Amino acid sequence: AQSVTQLDSQVPVFEEAPVELRCNYSSSVSVYLFWYVQYPNQGLQLLLKYLSGSTLVKGINGFEAEFNKSQTSFHLRKPSVHISDTAEYFCAVRGVTGGGNKLTFGTGTQLKVEL
Amino acid sequence: DTAVSQTPKYLVTQMGNDKSIKCEQNLGHDTMYWYKQDSKKFLKIMFSYNNKELIINETVPNRFSPKSPDKAHLNLHINSLELGDSAVYFCASSQDPGPGYNEQFFGPGTRLTVL
Repeated sequence: AQSVTQLDSQVPVFEEAPVELRCNYSSSVSVYLFWYVQYPNQGLQLLLKYLSGSTLVKGINGFEAEFNKSQTSFHLRKPSVHISDTAEYFCAVRGVTGGGNKLTFGTGTQLKVEL
Repeated sequence: DTAVSQTPKYLVTQMGNDKSIKCEQNLGHDTMYWYKQDSKKFLKIMFSYNNKELIINETVPNRFSPKSPDKAHLNLHINSLELGDSAVYFCASSQDPGPGYNEQFFGPGTRLTVL
């Protein structure tokens, strides 16, 4: 079984400032890791994913995340945020084997970008 | 061209009623899922069907019954609705969840309010 911890429920940041949203996971098997974004009153959209290979992955809208196996982390970063980045961000994990493609989500981080 | 669609978008009903939420995907995927997002935005998988066969069934009350008439549809029927069933329900779909990674595509959600 896997679990995900997103310690920050809310992250306020000014426009054009950098941001990091933290995600830690727990798993007894190798994992795939994901970040999803949910804009107000919308469904979830995949932002980026780590499957294997390079630990730094780049996604849409200028976001990137780094997989750190020793620290079991997959923090999301953006060097300069925009008002339109205001949304809920979910980190998710899936075991590489078994589980039937079951995604386990964290509790989400509300990113609020202010002028 | 909506990839994963859900109807209705909003559903308000009284306690004790029976209601259904419909989901359809036009991506040609083999697998469909139902997730529940509670008032704290915690997102948790409920069911997964692959080619009309149940493959994931989390600890969900048996008042919830998924029905898959064909692989493009996965409907969620809820009997004897309770206040705690109020949530946003998301449908998702992916290719066959065999070895390897298959992205899940999410619908826009159905906000269920039980009064």
